[in-house]
Amino acid sequence: GAGVSQSPSNKVTEKGKDVELRCDPISGHTALYWYRQRLGQGLEFLIYFQGNSAPDKSGLPSDRFSAERTGESVSTLTIQRTQQEDSAVYLCASSLVNTQYFGPGTRLTVL
Amino acid sequence: GIQVEQSPPDLILQEGANSTLRCNFSDSVNNLQWFHQNPWGQLINLFYIPSGTKQNGRLSATTVATERYSLLYISSSQTTDSGVYFCAVVRGSTLGRLYFGRGTQLTVWP
Repeated sequence: GAGVSQSPSNKVTEKGKDVELRCDPISGHTALYWYRQRLGQGLEFLIYFQGNSAPDKSGLPSDRFSAERTGESVSTLTIQRTQQEDSAVYLCASSLVNTQYFGPGTRLTVL
Repeated sequence: GIQVEQSPPDLILQEGANSTLRCNFSDSVNNLQWFHQNPWGQLINLFYIPSGTKQNGRLSATTVATERYSLLYISSSQTTDSGVYFCAVVRGSTLGRLYFGRGTQLTVWP
């Protein structure tokens, strides 16, 4: 079956612009996660959805970051007024019971 | 949060060699996963192994939950095994945020 998909695969933006990143989880997976990976670093948790609610959003680094999930399916991560330190690969994962499956990521470059 | 430490940080092998990667964690966990991040950045699931031993081809993993560590064994390594190996855990549930280690960078030379 289809895995987790993310779009766009690459995004280049100018400092100060807003960006939206999209994640389509595996069909039927109720849990959805966003992580961030800076160059050469490990993965940094951002937010966890169970259905449409977000029981853990403790990883969002600032109020410029927000995420929503509609219909227990697609999720969008929005970064407002992007900064150069936001440059990273943004990874989405989904799970049903325990194993998290990751998408290919969106590489965000802020100039 | 929970601390996850992986060792060694870097490992260089000749094709055909065996290796053991270690993951220590600071608290009891209900979910432990091993991932391989290939050179293109894709995270590939290797094992879900909160306890016990599993094998999949040349790879096997063992988690001793009571002693808070997990081991990943790679036998007869191949150049395609190169990449970063991550251990990640969830505390308190099987669902929830994964806490990642910093990874082991494996390079396999032909």
